[in-house]
Amino acid sequence: NAGVTQTPKFRVLKTGQSMTLLCAQDMNHEYMYWYRQDPGMGLRLIHYSVGEGTTAKGEVPDGYNVSRLKKQNFLLGLESAAPSQTSVYFCASSSGPHRHFGDGTRLSIL
Amino acid sequence: AQSVTQPDIHITVSEGASLELRCNYSYGATPYLFWYVQSPGQGLQLLLKYFSGDTLVQGIKGFEAEFKRSQSSFNLRKPSVHWSDAAEYFCAVAPNNNAGNMLTFGGGTRLMVKP
Repeated sequence: NAGVTQTPKFRVLKTGQSMTLLCAQDMNHEYMYWYRQDPGMGLRLIHYSVGEGTTAKGEVPDGYNVSRLKKQNFLLGLESAAPSQTSVYFCASSSGPHRHFGDGTRLSIL
Repeated sequence: AQSVTQPDIHITVSEGASLELRCNYSYGATPYLFWYVQSPGQGLQLLLKYFSGDTLVQGIKGFEAEFKRSQSSFNLRKPSVHWSDAAEYFCAVAPNNNAGNMLTFGGGTRLMVKP
């Protein structure tokens, strides 16, 4: 039972570099989400998707883009990384209010 | 918009002692309520949820939570804490319309357990 799988688990980038975080779920969920977690701030929603081919902005979307070309995958892109984007990123999926989370990607921007 | 407050950032309890983690929410109606636990290096795992009905809900790992409408609270409790309960705990709230996109998290409470 893989559930929600995130790759990579760790990454260090230099300011201005770009990268893509991959999320894959095997539960056939319609909804998928990207969150960032920062100390004392809980999880904040970056972008989400309510189905294949759809995306929408969450609470903190600036500096990020997403794509959902296949139902099982949800990609998060950083076009030009900034130190403020140093965080732990979590992907989640759901078929209702409760989320199923991946184990996170720890991203450091130097 | 809904909001969630977890007043205690850190809590330390002795192993075997009882535990209560506080959660207060702001929402215009009775929402869906959740508690999640996050162990170091892991994602969030659902402990329990409240949708409707009995206001005392039982979850995994011996946890329970009580929904109190008059206090807009959903506090998490455990009668006897184990060292393995050391983790970060998040309360979350969602509108009760089953929409999949509006889950709001509190800032979290980090639990430390003394031997």
